[in-house]
Amino acid sequence: EVVMTQSPATLSVSPGERATLSCRASQTFSNNLAWYQQKPGQPPRLLFYGASTRATGIPARFSGSGSGTEFTLTISSLQSEDFAVYYCLQYNNWPFTFGGGTKVEIK
Amino acid sequence: EVHLVESGGGLAQPGGSLRLSCAASGFIFSDFSMNWVRLAPGRGLEWVSYISRNGNRIYYADSVKGRFTVSRDNARNSLFLQMNGLGAEDTALYYCAKDTPLGTPPDHWGQGTLVTVSS
Repeated sequence: EVVMTQSPATLSVSPGERATLSCRASQTFSNNLAWYQQKPGQPPRLLFYGASTRATGIPARFSGSGSGTEFTLTISSLQSEDFAVYYCLQYNNWPFTFGGGTKVEIK
Repeated sequence: EVHLVESGGGLAQPGGSLRLSCAASGFIFSDFSMNWVRLAPGRGLEWVSYISRNGNRIYYADSVKGRFTVSRDNARNSLFLQMNGLGAEDTALYYCAKDTPLGTPPDHWGQGTLVTVSS
């Protein structure tokens, strides 16, 4: 199976600062990569699919990029509601696999 | 509005069984592939199973293959997960998740149903 590795595990950021989250795949694939945001007590929320296509209602301060084995989620200016856990998901190969998650916390 | 409501979770003995259900509304259920995904305590998300719109394509995570069976009833707008041979590692919050109109990845999720495996 494709192993997805996210880094860092925890990212401490001040409101208004930029956050860059990384997701690395153990084998190359096109762009069947999604990003999710999850807050405590809530289900995951789809942010991006196709590596860089923003899902409905996702603010422009979020951007997704990458291909091959390296993918990035960038939040240009963190808002209070953005502090959460973020997961990448590869849906190119069965079984689908999530990364371990990056927790974005307030610095 | 898309609405997914999971049920059937609870306490199970090691080696025991549970059957999860997901009631769907707010969309044409038969037009969408569906998934089960779980979140274990202190761990991240794990994709569990996928079923295509008409049920003719099914996939499982290696960790549940041979023990879990996914099915759907399009006439009743319902998704199911039969879980047999449960172990402590299956303790998790189980989410039902609907795919996008183009297929995966999932774009709408239920609130989840909690499965606890313990003696």
